[in-house]
Amino acid sequence: QVLLVQSGAEVKKSGASVKVSCKTSKYSFTGYYLHWVRQAPGQGLEWMGWINPNSGGTNYAQKFQGRVTITRDTSISTSYMELSSLRSDDTAVYYCARERELFFDYWGQGTLVTVSS
Amino acid sequence: QSVLTQPPSVSGAPGQRVTISCTGSSSNIGADYDVHWYQQLPGTAPKLLIYANTNRPSGVPDRFSGSKSGTSASLAITGLQAEDEADYYCQSYDSNLSGPWVFGGGTKVTVL
Repeated sequence: QVLLVQSGAEVKKSGASVKVSCKTSKYSFTGYYLHWVRQAPGQGLEWMGWINPNSGGTNYAQKFQGRVTITRDTSISTSYMELSSLRSDDTAVYYCARERELFFDYWGQGTLVTVSS
Repeated sequence: QSVLTQPPSVSGAPGQRVTISCTGSSSNIGADYDVHWYQQLPGTAPKLLIYANTNRPSGVPDRFSGSKSGTSASLAITGLQAEDEADYYCQSYDSNLSGPWVFGGGTKVTVL
């Protein structure tokens, strides 16, 4: 069974950075794009960006350009999402999700990032 | 403001049929991009429910069905059950946006 397991909850101060990991297993890591999606408390889903685990190429939503960096380590089948210059409205659950033909067939369990002033 | 528009809530009694609409535009659903649906139970990650407009992944009950026409799509739940109480999100792809993977705002389904 395909698994995406994310790192634990984080509490950060405004202006700091956070790095969330997404460890994958039971499929070919380099065979599928990985995306990051966030969900603010009580709100909907918001796409942040993707990484091609094979090439390392990335694409980010314009809203997050300059603040988000998605990377990967193929040796441990893991992707990372780093968000910098954190603000209170970055408080959200961050999900990684595997893409298959423009939709997301498997999701991580989510990582709550709380930004406090 | 979400690119795809869904009603905030729908409700129905056990056994009834409910539908959730998802309205887009000519740059996403109307551009022939597929619509996909996710179910999010309270406190959990979204789960793929319907992909490519009408297809159910293995394990999804056949009382969930999807359709698409023009710039809109719908999710139907027949024989509503208590365990269906959740948030439902539609998703598509938008050719005009720099953040092309787009979602609806979500619909809360309440089982009365």
